[in-house]
Amino acid sequence: DSGVTQTPKHLITATGQRVTLRCSPRSGDLSVYWYQQSLDQGLQFLIQYYNGEERAKGNILERFSAQQFPDLHSELNLSSLELGDSALYFCASSSGTHPQPQHFGDGTRLSIL
Amino acid sequence: GESVGLHLPTLSVQEGDNSIINCAYSNSASDYFIWYKQESGKGPQFIIDIRSNMDKRQGQRVTVLLNKTVKHLSLQIAATQPGDSAVYFCAEIPRNAGNMLTFGGGTRLMVKP
Repeated sequence: DSGVTQTPKHLITATGQRVTLRCSPRSGDLSVYWYQQSLDQGLQFLIQYYNGEERAKGNILERFSAQQFPDLHSELNLSSLELGDSALYFCASSSGTHPQPQHFGDGTRLSIL
Repeated sequence: GESVGLHLPTLSVQEGDNSIINCAYSNSASDYFIWYKQESGKGPQFIIDIRSNMDKRQGQRVTVLLNKTVKHLSLQIAATQPGDSAVYFCAEIPRNAGNMLTFGGGTRLMVKP
């Protein structure tokens, strides 16, 4: 058990809809990262928050947004969903922002019908 | 469980043999590297890391080797067990990139009893 909790485990929705994925980091970790894992592109970094502030951005679409709350949990919002957004979405956390292992949750599987 | 990367390269080994999983990284400026193990239906699990000022690092039954000259990373697993069956990813962090991981494409390890 990594200590990172993601909900829900599975989400099925239709094109055009909006969903929110939730992540609780390991106790004491201030950094939260979001990744997308699809069959054809592997694990892609989306965005990082550190202590409530956006720290780094990767290949995140404009339709996607995230935030980190004062209690350090994070939410990833995906809107105007398309079939290609079907993927596993992982959250990871680490204590700080310097190079160090990130600890991953078990992901949310998003299926767009 | 989830099927990740159906077209991943696969390494098949006999239980008890040693396994070597290879990774070519892309950025000569990377100075931190991590190996992750991902089992079906789970998030990536940290195995071992190495910094660019080292050539070799050992953990429990695992060894990571780094060859900066040819930008090559390898993970050696001693006395491979059925529980080692999983997809293995290498990841790199370039210098001055905070803690942003760039993942390789992954290798599926299958252990035959």
